[in-house]
Amino acid sequence: GAVVSQHPSRVICKSGTSVKIECRSLDFQATTMFWYRQFPKKSLMLMATSNEGSKATYEQGVEKDKFLINHASLTLSTLTVTSAHPEDSSFYICSAGGQNYGYTFGSGTRLTVV
Amino acid sequence: KNQVEQSPQSLIILEGKNCTLQCNYTVSPFSNLRWYKQDTGRGPVSLTIMTFSENTKSNGRYTATLDADTKQSSLHITASQLSDSASYICVVSATNDYKLSFGAGTTVTVRA
Repeated sequence: GAVVSQHPSRVICKSGTSVKIECRSLDFQATTMFWYRQFPKKSLMLMATSNEGSKATYEQGVEKDKFLINHASLTLSTLTVTSAHPEDSSFYICSAGGQNYGYTFGSGTRLTVV
Repeated sequence: KNQVEQSPQSLIILEGKNCTLQCNYTVSPFSNLRWYKQDTGRGPVSLTIMTFSENTKSNGRYTATLDADTKQSSLHITASQLSDSASYICVVSATNDYKLSFGAGTTVTVRA
């Protein structure tokens, strides 16, 4: 089945630094990937849609300059949290796939900004 | 507005017992409905996916049902195990929208 690898699983960074999270589709090509944020005991919130070779589409209220998305190849999308602040601490999850064969989620990244 | 409502919000069951989770949705036009299991600190893992014409789908001890007329789905867990403790999320997609509609999830706790 489709496998999506997300790295790192956990990261702790200092306020003001940037953190990059990678999302890879291991056995299929993904022209579209999705980035979600999840708060404790809440469901996933779509942050942005990552499109291979073009700009990402951000959801309302998501700062595109804060959350930089790059989808440079058909198997890799990255999310960079720039100038991180403690309020950016959260669980970030990517997914890839499609309507017809389902969406596969990455294992998630726990970001803690101190 | 496309919405997905899950109930109960949480439940506790004894190991070996059965339980049923509910999902009601207003997503239209309906494409498919998925149930995911999410362990704490992990990404969601797909359990079942059903399209309009499917009424029941099983995956081991998990059985999902779908009534597209009433826009309701259920997930039945048989002979629960401690490893079933997780959040179960109902996700519905529309044919005209690539975005998914997520339920808030049901947290299941299985106790020995």
